[in-house]
Amino acid sequence: AQSVTQLDSHVSVSEGTPVLLRCNYSSSYSPSLFWYVQHPNKGLQLLLKYTSAATLVKGINGFEAEFKKSETSFHLTKPSAHMSDAAEYFCVVSDGTRGGKLIFGQGTELSVKP
Amino acid sequence: DTGVSQDPRHKITKRGQNVTFRCDPISEHNRLYWYRQTLGQGPEFLTYFQNEAQLEKSRLLSDRFSAERPKGSFSTLEIQRTEQGDSAMYLCASSLTGTGDGYTFGSGTRLTVV
Repeated sequence: AQSVTQLDSHVSVSEGTPVLLRCNYSSSYSPSLFWYVQHPNKGLQLLLKYTSAATLVKGINGFEAEFKKSETSFHLTKPSAHMSDAAEYFCVVSDGTRGGKLIFGQGTELSVKP
Repeated sequence: DTGVSQDPRHKITKRGQNVTFRCDPISEHNRLYWYRQTLGQGPEFLTYFQNEAQLEKSRLLSDRFSAERPKGSFSTLEIQRTEQGDSAMYLCASSLTGTGDGYTFGSGTRLTVV
């Protein structure tokens, strides 16, 4: 069965410093992986997706993630945090079935200090 | 098209009452999904439709829950005889191709059962 584990429930950074949100996945096949962001009282927004093309995936708002099969990881990074990046981030894997269900991690809350 | 719309945004109901939520997906999307998100957790899959056919239901979806998508357009999720454990954010999402493409999520309906 497919699953994702987000290694940190909360990450705090200062504005202008790099962001690293860690995610490990478990999959019996080549997975489709996603990162979603959820701002308070807002819907989930797709940041980026990996679907077996380039292993370094660039997303919106300066975020990117690298698929590392040997480490079963899909960490999310951003070179310089902005106050508006403060939100809940979810690492997600597709379950690989015809229906394309998504399996979410527990989430990582990112705080950005001025 | 402005995205996935959900109505209402918030619902407070007394235990034992029935509630119904509505989701209007992106018009050209043939797949529609319902997820439930409890506090501090990632969303969990409930059910999905391809056009008007309900193709899969999670074991989380007890007999008190029913979902419909008449004519393959909007969808409704009804909860009968609500319980306090039903309190959660109910998220709707739509997609065109399913696996590998990510979804567009609505802002959700927050249900509080008192």
